[in-house]
Amino acid sequence: EAGVAQSPRYKIIEKRQSVAFWCNPISGHATLYWYQQILGQGPKLLIQFQNNGVVDDSQLPKDRFSAERLKGVDSTLKIQPAKLEDSAVYLCASSLLRTDNYNEQFFGPGTRLTVL
Amino acid sequence: AQTVTQSQPEMSVQEAETVTLSCTYDTSESDYYLFWYKQPPSRQMILVIRQEAYKQQNATENRFSVNFQKAAKSFSLKISDSQLGDAAMYFCAYRSEDMDYGGATNKLIFGTGTLLAVQP
Repeated sequence: EAGVAQSPRYKIIEKRQSVAFWCNPISGHATLYWYQQILGQGPKLLIQFQNNGVVDDSQLPKDRFSAERLKGVDSTLKIQPAKLEDSAVYLCASSLLRTDNYNEQFFGPGTRLTVL
Repeated sequence: AQTVTQSQPEMSVQEAETVTLSCTYDTSESDYYLFWYKQPPSRQMILVIRQEAYKQQNATENRFSVNFQKAAKSFSLKISDSQLGDAAMYFCAYRSEDMDYGGATNKLIFGTGTLLAVQP
């Protein structure tokens, strides 16, 4: 079974530029998550989708971050304009939606963003 | 709001020895899950072990076991017979059993991590 795919693996941009990250979840996984992991910290959820609807985006900085999940499969996360403090690893994860409520999250390899 | 605290930024263990990583959490909920994740330099988060709060028995997965103390809100990870491949960042994580969204609300709340070094 193929895992969660993310691209690019690395991205370097200047502040005020825009950037987009792509995630392809495991086939059949209804739920998709984007986490932000700042150096020295644990991942923090930015947004959670169930199919193509947003379940939780309470910690997404909506003035500069946006995300979409087309047709309930792939997802893109965009930052526009980027700030220095956006330098982080962006992790995508996916999970099944099971009635027993144990929905293990499978993580992708992440995208490391550096904002100069 | 739930919080997860890992007070050991770094730990070191000799190969074949045993090491324990500490984690405490704060919650007012009675039903939840606790996890330990491993993150090697490749950055891919790998689930090591999970514990359901309603289960009194501590979870075990091969060389990995937990000491779950619900009243004390403590959840430590013991790694026995440490191997070089165990070297990584380890994160403790909490997830509520919130069914508001039909079971889909399963946000993970992570601690700050413990960097484990294994000495040959």
